[in-house]
Amino acid sequence: GNSVTQMEGPVTLSEEAFLTINCTYTATGYPSLFWYVQYPGEGLQLLLKATKADDKGSNKGFEATYRKETTSFHLEKGSVQVSDSAVYFCALYSGNTPLVFGKGTRLSVIA
Amino acid sequence: DAGITQSPRHKVTETGTPVTLRCHQTENHRYMYWYRQDPGHGLRLIHYSYGVKDTDKGEVSDGYSVSRSKTEDFLLTLESATSSQTSVYFCAISDVPSLNTEAFFGQGTRLTVV
Repeated sequence: GNSVTQMEGPVTLSEEAFLTINCTYTATGYPSLFWYVQYPGEGLQLLLKATKADDKGSNKGFEATYRKETTSFHLEKGSVQVSDSAVYFCALYSGNTPLVFGKGTRLSVIA
Repeated sequence: DAGITQSPRHKVTETGTPVTLRCHQTENHRYMYWYRQDPGHGLRLIHYSYGVKDTDKGEVSDGYSVSRSKTEDFLLTLESATSSQTSVYFCAISDVPSLNTEAFFGQGTRLTVV
């Protein structure tokens, strides 16, 4: 079946540090890949997505590249801010089944 | 923001009592989903609906039932609540899933079973 594995948290970084959150997947067919973000006390919202191999999704300074050869979709940001503190979820969609999520990675950014 | 309202937002209930959570949408999306969020488990799908009166089970459906009698409402019922069902429950909606489909989430319902 489809599954997503993302790095365990929590991740604590200083402001302006470089961020990488690893995500790998297992899927049948050719999935679409997503990163969702959950700010404290809120529901999830879409951060970025990529629908085919070598696509790069980007939003708010975050980027992720769909790597079919390594079945990965790692999230990166060059300089994090305190306001980026949140829980980040990698997810995939393949076929007509609902989204499958990873376990989430909590990021804390300190000033 | 997508028009999704979950009610109640918080609830404390006793073991063995029935509980119903409501998800209401104003977007006319065909698909609706119930997830639960627990530390160390991320989001796990409970049930989903692909149309009025059309539902299917997810990964963790035991102890839960759902109903969808109108496009805009999707109800999640715990027939006899247990402490293991203490969780944060999220409703989500989407168009017919495709490679570009985005899911929109409600703000969650925190349920405590004592």
